[in-house]
Amino acid sequence: QSALTQPASVSGSPGQSITISCTGTSSDVGGYNYVSWYQQHPGKAPKLMIYEVTNRPSGVPDRFSGSKSGSTASLTISGLQAEDEADYYCSSYTSSSTVVFGGGTKLTVL
Amino acid sequence: QVQLQESGPGLVKPSETLSLTCTVSGGSINSYYLYWIRQPAGKGLEWIGRLYSSVSTDYNPSLKSRVTMSVDTSKNQFSLKLRSVTAADTAVYYCARDDKGIAVSAVFWGQGALVTVSS
Repeated sequence: QSALTQPASVSGSPGQSITISCTGTSSDVGGYNYVSWYQQHPGKAPKLMIYEVTNRPSGVPDRFSGSKSGSTASLTISGLQAEDEADYYCSSYTSSSTVVFGGGTKLTVL
Repeated sequence: QVQLQESGPGLVKPSETLSLTCTVSGGSINSYYLYWIRQPAGKGLEWIGRLYSSVSTDYNPSLKSRVTMSVDTSKNQFSLKLRSVTAADTAVYYCARDDKGIAVSAVFWGQGALVTVSS
């Protein structure tokens, strides 16, 4: 299974909005509404931010939102804050009953 | 609160078997999906596989021939074995568990265990 495609890096200033894309195929992102997004700060375990494309777990700020169009999912962070600076990974269920991650995106808050 | 903790040798010789155990506290492992995920230094996350209540397992196709996952419900633990390791298997290994109503997602994570493959 091939990793989902994410931009290597994105950046934004505090208060702005950014969007991270996650592109797969009809066998993963495009075929199922099981896309998740994880945030990972250096030296820490990942944290689930979005599940099933658009849902936020309890405790995740509503500044974080997810969407999907075709085989591309997106994570949008609005009202960017300094603590949002981290690596972000998408993942998707696949037609092989497995899960595949994206390569990760480093978010820099300027 | 559900907590997970990985344990096992931090150093494994090439061609030998990597063995890790994940102990879950504050919650059950019955009727939940249990995951193993790894991350080489400076690189992205790689899904190793998942098991469900010792009923079913799904493995990353690229690792399937070398991986075995199992569960010990009496100890609330689950385990990972990766055979014939090479330096490419050096990584931080995470165990994780999902939650009710949250499908195909790792909700609770361990802190990670660094495993180095070297002679």
